[in-house]
Order: sequence, then structure tokens, then C-alpha cells
Amino acid sequence: EVQLLEFGGGLVQPGGSLRLSCVASAFRFSNYALNWVRQAPGKGLEWVSGITGSGTTTYYADSAKGRFTISRDKSKNTVYLQMNRLRAEDTAVYYCARAETGGGNQFDYWGQGTLVTVSS
Amino acid sequence: DIQMTQSPSSLSASVGDRVIITCRASQSINRYVNWYQQKPGKAPKLLIYAASSLQSGFPTRFSGSGSGTDFTLTISSLQPEDFATYYCQQSYSLYTFGQGTKLEIK
Repeated sequence: EVQLLEFGGGLVQPGGSLRLSCVASAFRFSNYALNWVRQAPGKGLEWVSGITGSGTTTYYADSAKGRFTISRDKSKNTVYLQMNRLRAEDTAVYYCARAETGGGNQFDYWGQGTLVTVSS
Repeated sequence: DIQMTQSPSSLSASVGDRVIITCRASQSINRYVNWYQQKPGKAPKLLIYAASSLQSGFPTRFSGSGSGTDFTLTISSLQPEDFATYYCQQSYSLYTFGQGTKLEIK
């Protein structure tokens, strides 16, 4: 069964850094783009960043550009989100999601999420 | 950037009701719309992809339609387990989600 497990959330001060990890299993890791989607408390879903299966191309929402970096390690079946210069408005549950490009580029599998809290 | 305007933001309905949720894109996006169901404290689940294809595991009372800029999600006869929040998403140019529709029991 396809699984995505996120790690690395926690409490961090404004201006600080955090690295999230998403470990994938039960599918050919390099065949799929992976994305990070976040959800602030009581709010809707916001796409944050994505990376192609090969890892050669990355994409960012405007809110993440210049502060967040997505990467992947095929030897560990893991995708990362390095988050720097964190702000209170980055507080959210961060989900890892797999993109299936065969149909409509939909997110067909999601992790359980990891909570990031930015507060002093 | 493509914007997705979803309506209504909340909806009260009864078991057995037919419910329609709409999503409008700020530009034509062909059929690159997906719908997700999210229950409290859980990750979203893919419900409909490419505007009208039903994801495995969901019952046929769920259906999607539309192309271009206007899309709908229809639940033909609400069941108790359908009360949740629904999101549309465009995947034509990167990704954008609608604001969500919270479906509550009347």
C-alpha cells in the first residue's frame, strides 16, 4: 500500500528554520512528482511546493519563494522541505502529496501531516 | 496565477438531499480540476480527478462535471458519512485550491 509519512514538525521561533521530511513507500519513487501542501489552523488548503520525479525541476508558491527549498533523495525515498526565515503565518499542518500525472495531475496519495508552529 | 472561486463556503443539508458545489476558474483550464474530501483532523482524500473521473473507493453518488472555467461536484443522495469539507483544485498551471465548502447536517 502506498504510504507517505511526514516528520520534522515542531515549535520554532520566528526567523528560525525547520526541515520537514516525507518518506515514501510502496511505489517507484522516481516515477512521481511530490508536493507539499499546508493548512493553517481552521483554514483551507494551500499548495506550497513541488518537485518532479527526477528532481531536476522544482516549483514554489509565491509565499514560499526565496525561503523554502524542496529536494528529494532517491536513495532514501524521501522528499524534504527546508524552511528558513519562518513567520507566524507559516504555522500550519504540512502534508506531503503524490502527484499522478496520468489523469489530471491530481494528488492521489497524502501523508498524515506534520504540524509546524511558529511562535515566540 | 489561476484563482479558483468555490461556492458555497458552507452548506446545511439533510440525509438524502442532492447537493451541488461549484468552482469557477479565473481562466480556462480545460478539465484540469480535481475534488478532495476532508474530514476533521484527517488528510484530504482525492474524490474526483480530471473533472469527472471518480477515484476508486468512493461511491457513485459522487459525480463531477464541467470544462473550461466552470465545474461542479454533485452528491446525488447525501449519506451521513458525506458530511465533510470539500475542496476543488486546479492542476492546469501548478496548483490552486478553492476556499472549501463545509457540508453540515441540517
